Order: sequence, then structure tokens, then C-alpha cells
Amino acid sequence: DGGITQSPKYLFRKEGQNVTLSCEQNLNHDAMYWYRQDPGQGLRLIYYSQIVNDFQKGDIAEGYSVSREKKESFPLTVTSAQKNPTAFYLCASSIAGYYTDTQYFGPGTRLTVL
Amino acid sequence: KNQVEQSPQSLIILEGKNCTLQCNYTVSPFSNLRWYKQDTGRGPVSLTIMTFSENTKSNGRYTATLDADTKQSSLHITASQLSDSASYICVVSPDESWGKLQFGAGTQVVVTP
Repeated sequence: DGGITQSPKYLFRKEGQNVTLSCEQNLNHDAMYWYRQDPGQGLRLIYYSQIVNDFQKGDIAEGYSVSREKKESFPLTVTSAQKNPTAFYLCASSIAGYYTDTQYFGPGTRLTVL
Repeated sequence: KNQVEQSPQSLIILEGKNCTLQCNYTVSPFSNLRWYKQDTGRGPVSLTIMTFSENTKSNGRYTATLDADTKQSSLHITASQLSDSASYICVVSPDESWGKLQFGAGTQVVVTP
């Protein structure tokens, strides 16, 4: 069963804690992305990776970190430096990073800071 | 300033009726425009994709139109069903080899019986 999986579906964090969101894909896609979705706003790009061991900052990278050690995995860490982390986080992948490529999204992780 | 504006923010329609959602964009140069459907608490799913040279694209009861001159697109839902209740997001790709997508905030559609 091909696709993108994200875990956990819901995540609760205390202030000052780092948390890591998982994203795995078995579509053999080279490019992977992390977005943040807030009510009433369009998706905003946090980080993206076009190839293993390489990633670039998006529009709102402050307070977040990523790694891309394997083609199929692109975990996102929300650090304590992120001042307003409560949001819905979406991971996506595409065949490559070209503008013509369709991005396929995972089911999302809802992070709540207590 | 968001380069992709969608209207209305939300709408309620009766099952079986039609509706049209609007998307205005300022992204230039422009490569392609997509419409995504996002069910509550889920990831977006691609409905249609149109390049600047295409005027219309259909996917079942969903029909997207594009006017690249006026930078406007619409998504028409025909004979709405309860399962059409979702957020519909307009996404524009700039004309670059690495295209950072520009997302609209979405239109929330509620279909009532």
C-alpha cells in the first residue's frame, strides 16, 4: 500500500520540550516537504529536501530542524525555540522538486502545546 | 501579502446543488494552478492541475477553469454530495525550475442534506 504516513496523529507537548514528528514515504520520491497549517491561512513551507542528505529552509524555518538520512524518511523536530508551535503539520513528497510535480500529502499531525 | 486569494471563505449548500469557488492570484510568471481537496483533519488531495495554456479541466463532478489573462480560476462542483464537504485549496506554481508553491487559505464547503 503506497503513500505517505505521518505519526503520531495527535501530539501534545509541554512548553520547553522538543518533539519530533515522523514522516515516511514509500513512493520512491526524491523530494519531501514539511508544511504548517494554521486556521484561515494557506500552508506555509517549513523545510524541503530534494535529495538525501540535503535540505533547505522554507519560509518559516525558525524553531524547527530536519534531517534526511534516508530517501523515505524526513522527520521534523519542533524545538523549544518555536514560540507558537500549536498547529497542524503536513508532510508531502513529489517525484522531484520541479514545479510541474504534484505533491502528495500525508494525513498530518496535530501538535498542541499545553 | 498572500499571492493567492480565495473566495468565499466558506459556504453552505444543499445536497444536489451546484456551487462555484473562486481563486485570484498575482504569482507571475505563472506555471500551473492546482485545486486540492482537504477533508477535515486530513492531508490535501489533488483534484486538478492546469498549465497556463489550459482553460478547463474536469475530474468527475469537479470542473476547474483558468483565465491566465485575468489571473483567475474557478472550481465548479456539480450536483454536490455530502462527501464534498471539505476545504478546497487553490495552489499556484511560479515559473521556476524549483517551484515553491503558493497556497490559498481555502474555501470551506459544507453540504447539507
